[in-house]
Amino acid sequence: GQQVMQIPQYQHVQEGEDFTTYCNSSTTLSNIQWYKQRPGGHPVFLIQLVKSGEVKKQKRLTFQFGEAKKNSSLHITATQTTDVGTYFCAGPGGATNKLIFGTGTLLAVQP
Amino acid sequence: DAGVTQSPTHLIKTRGQQVTLRCSPKSGHDTVSWYQQALGQGPQFIFQYYEEEERQRGNFPDRFSGHQFPNYSSELNVNALLLGDSALYLCASSQGPRGGYTFGSGTRLTVV
Repeated sequence: GQQVMQIPQYQHVQEGEDFTTYCNSSTTLSNIQWYKQRPGGHPVFLIQLVKSGEVKKQKRLTFQFGEAKKNSSLHITATQTTDVGTYFCAGPGGATNKLIFGTGTLLAVQP
Repeated sequence: DAGVTQSPTHLIKTRGQQVTLRCSPKSGHDTVSWYQQALGQGPQFIFQYYEEEERQRGNFPDRFSGHQFPNYSSELNVNALLLGDSALYLCASSQGPRGGYTFGSGTRLTVV
């Protein structure tokens, strides 16, 4: 079945450093969504990308959808302690609408 | 306020018992999806309800069943509980099956 992998699994940075997580799907995706889950919390929708090569920015966060629509990345510039959490990418599973979540990247930010 | 309400927040059950979890979607949302999230892992898709019918299903046994009511709220039922069913159960609502999901705070189920 479809698999969505993310790397790295865990990243520890100093506050102010940049951070990037990469998402790779075994199949082409019609769209890619990103979610953030704080420790002990629930996933919160961040953004959805639809077009091949699309790049979207939300303040210090930059999201990119690959040309082949099989990979995506999330880059955070100048991390802050409020960025702590697990970042998940998610995409529709094949021809269905069920959203398949990636393995997640846990970001730790040291002040 | 997540907009999606789940109850109860925590639950402890014994192996073999049955459990029902409830979800009220965000106002304006008509689709409900249920996920199971084990500790340290990503959410795993259980099933999705739209127009009161199960539209999609993940790789979960028939012990997991659900229902959607005319007001779009939903229930997740799990029969014959196993220790491995211990997890955070998340309900997500969306406007249509393809929309960005709004998640509830989840129900933490512990099976002993």
